[in-house]
Amino acid sequence: EAQVTQNPRYLITVTGKKLTVTCSQNMNHEYMSWYRQDPGLGLRQIYYSMNVEVTDKGDVPEGYKVSRKEKRNFPLILESPSPNQTSLYFCASSLLPQGRGEQYFGPGTRLTVT
Amino acid sequence: EDQVTQSPEALRLQEGESSSLNCSYTVSGLRGLFWYRQDPGKGPEFLFTLYSAGEEKEKERLKATLTKKESFLHITAPKPEDSATYLCAVQAGGATNKLIFGTGTLLAVQP
Repeated sequence: EAQVTQNPRYLITVTGKKLTVTCSQNMNHEYMSWYRQDPGLGLRQIYYSMNVEVTDKGDVPEGYKVSRKEKRNFPLILESPSPNQTSLYFCASSLLPQGRGEQYFGPGTRLTVT
Repeated sequence: EDQVTQSPEALRLQEGESSSLNCSYTVSGLRGLFWYRQDPGKGPEFLFTLYSAGEEKEKERLKATLTKKESFLHITAPKPEDSATYLCAVQAGGATNKLIFGTGTLLAVQP
């Protein structure tokens, strides 16, 4: 089954404790993205990757890091989480470049930073 | 400033009562407009892509249309299983190259 998986699905952590949210897709897609979704603000792109070792900042990259060492994986790293990073996070992948085709979204990771 | 606005924020329909959701946009050089459906606790699921004014796409009870300023998602004779949040996203062209999402319309269809 074609899918994007994220782990963990739920995470509660404290300010400053480094964490990683994993994302994996089994569709051999070159393009992957991370989004955060907040009430009243919609989905906002954090980072975008066009291929292995190629990434670009989205609208809200501050406080986040990404890496793309393998085509299928695109982890999101929060080096020092803060309460304003409490949000619902989605990973997505696509066969075509951004804006040229559909994206497949993961199930989401709900992060709470206290 | 590039902007995507969806209306209404929420809509409650009776089963079989047709209606339309609106997505208006202000972007520099539209490259594509996307509609997604999002169920509670899940990621968005792709519905349609529209690329140019006048284009229309259909899928079951849903029909998406596009003009130079807005897109409509028409829902014909909705069923309770159509209840979800419907998201619109616009890919801007030019130097920005941004994908901008609206905040969605929460649709509830009552039996």
